[in-house]
Amino acid sequence: LAKTTQPISMDSYEGQEVNITCSHNNIATNDYITWYQQFPSQGPRFIIQGYKTKVTNEVASLFIPADRKSSTLSLPRVSLSDTAVYYCLVGPKGGKLIFGQGTELSVKP
Amino acid sequence: GAVVSQHPSWVICKSGTSVKIECRSLDFQATTMFWYRQFPKQSLMLMATSNEGSKATYEQGVEKDKFLINHASLTLSTLTVTSAHPEDSSFYICSAGRDGLAGGEQYFGPGTRLTVT
Repeated sequence: LAKTTQPISMDSYEGQEVNITCSHNNIATNDYITWYQQFPSQGPRFIIQGYKTKVTNEVASLFIPADRKSSTLSLPRVSLSDTAVYYCLVGPKGGKLIFGQGTELSVKP
Repeated sequence: GAVVSQHPSWVICKSGTSVKIECRSLDFQATTMFWYRQFPKQSLMLMATSNEGSKATYEQGVEKDKFLINHASLTLSTLTVTSAHPEDSSFYICSAGRDGLAGGEQYFGPGTRLTVT
């Protein structure tokens, strides 16, 4: 399974756009990129998944360059409730997920 | 849709006893479920892959005789922590992916907080 590298922490202010980049140099052809959000003492919550180019849903966008060795999760206009840990995972659909350290996002008023 | 539940949400047990944690997919079938544990301020660690009707596959370093996994139906997997010790105190989380769904994303349960005294 491809290893991922993310910033350990990030700070932002309410209303700003937040971009979290994940590096996954050893991504395999059949791997997808998935992002999860986790609040303390809760299970992770699915945010978005993509294979290449750009994916957008109601809460986030995922940008994946052509070489797929990195990806960027974009959260538009964050609020205090977006303070959480964000995990980038790489692996085949339906396969096991190996969590890295995640990025602790702190949104300030 | 795609809701995964866990029971209990928290449990306190004495050292040496066994504890069973249930993971249910409420509105979909899941041939495969996964069990994780998470210590404070750390990431999730995959313990095992639970397969309906067959033996679980354990990650390296996870004792299969201590963490018994049973996947009796397409909607239920159980994790039993046998002869629990204080070092087994942790947050246990399960996940499941919908069978046949092209999306392939996994849905996580709310977690079970185990405290061994």
